Amino acid sequence: DTAVSQTPKYLVTQMGNDKSIKCEQNLGHDTMYWYKQDSKKFLKIMFSYNNKELIINETVPNRFSPKSPDKAHLNLHINSLELGDSAVYFCASSQLGDRTDTQYFGPGTRLTVL
Amino acid sequence: DAKTTQPNSMESNEEEPVHLPCNHSTISGTDYIHWYRQLPSQGPEYVIHGLTSNVNNRMASLAIAEDRKSSTLILHRATLRDAAVYYCILRGSGGSNYKLTFGKGTLLTVNP
Repeated sequence: DTAVSQTPKYLVTQMGNDKSIKCEQNLGHDTMYWYKQDSKKFLKIMFSYNNKELIINETVPNRFSPKSPDKAHLNLHINSLELGDSAVYFCASSQLGDRTDTQYFGPGTRLTVL
Repeated sequence: DAKTTQPNSMESNEEEPVHLPCNHSTISGTDYIHWYRQLPSQGPEYVIHGLTSNVNNRMASLAIAEDRKSSTLILHRATLRDAAVYYCILRGSGGSNYKLTFGKGTLLTVNP
């Protein structure tokens, strides 16, 4: 059983298109995250939801819109894709604690914008 | 967030111990020290965390200096599957601690 799963694993699309990445966790956690890893391999937080409420929203273009229909799912919708959006996107989940919670990451979605 | 400094890369031989250092001279008294690693083409995975005392788990040991300005992740017997980027991350109190702030990490190469 995969704890944190993402679909699709690979996504190749044209500039200007709109696409979504889905994430599901079966760990019963209350908090989910989206991280972006760029071509230089830097990993950076984008968003976080706790019990379906947004708790972290880093400086991300508003073309990116996370949606959490329930605690087990956090989807990422991207409008008007740009070349710079090409990256690997990781979903993660945790049971939120005070500095000690462990985050579990999904396998990543490699997005390529042509 | 307090920052960490790690060597860009380290090399080890299989079945030998590996000591991965991390400096965090501006650590505050309530910051936890976390280590994650990212194997090739995978998402990061948790390794270990600690506050003041040394910690052991099935994956590794964490040795924390008495002044807490540095720590060392110890892999007791490196295997080829331990080849990864290792990240040392500080997590403080408050809302900012919900996220993991990744640095460049240390790329560990394990030679057969």
